[in-house]
Amino acid sequence: DGGITQSPKYLFRKEGQNVTLSCEQNLNHDAMYWYRQDPGQGLRLIYYSQIVNDFQKGDIAEGYSVSREKKESFPLTVTSAQKNPTAFYLCASSMALRAYEQYFGPGTRLTVT
Amino acid sequence: QKEVEQDPGPLSVPEGAIVSLNCTYSNSAFQYFMWYRQYSRKGPELLMYTYSSGNKEDGRFTAQVDKSSKYISLFIRDSQPSDSATYLCAMKTGGNEKLTFGTGTRLTIIP
Repeated sequence: DGGITQSPKYLFRKEGQNVTLSCEQNLNHDAMYWYRQDPGQGLRLIYYSQIVNDFQKGDIAEGYSVSREKKESFPLTVTSAQKNPTAFYLCASSMALRAYEQYFGPGTRLTVT
Repeated sequence: QKEVEQDPGPLSVPEGAIVSLNCTYSNSAFQYFMWYRQYSRKGPELLMYTYSSGNKEDGRFTAQVDKSSKYISLFIRDSQPSDSATYLCAMKTGGNEKLTFGTGTRLTIIP
């Protein structure tokens, strides 16, 4: 089955710790995206990558970092510099230059206490 | 003012009714318009996308874009309890690969 996987589904961390969220896709998509979803707010773009070894900041990149070493994988690290990290994190992918046709993973709920 | 405005609801309608979901926007450069359905604690699922103005139909779903009014709609015919979800609109200009999302409308179909 083709799709996007995110793991784990739920993640708990103590304040001050960095944490890495996994995102893998087997759709052969070139572009991948990370969003954050908070109650009452739309999805906000954190980072996106249109090709391996290249990525761009989205609207709320501060306190986050990414890497894109393989086409299939786009991990997101939430660093201790992120002031309000508790949120639902969503990964998506699309074919090149078809951001209007993004497919999402199931999400990771991160809770930092 | 947000670039994309969407009434958060909640919206409750009886089974079988026609549902109308709407978004307004302020950026006249938006050219692509998307509708996503999101069940509770799941990732959004792309329902439809349209380019520029006009209507697009897919089964019980119809997307409508009115660029002159900066207004888009999603109609659901013969609504079912399984349509109960949050519906997100999203938009994109032609110049970059970033989407701008509405906040979502929570819909409940009452059996």
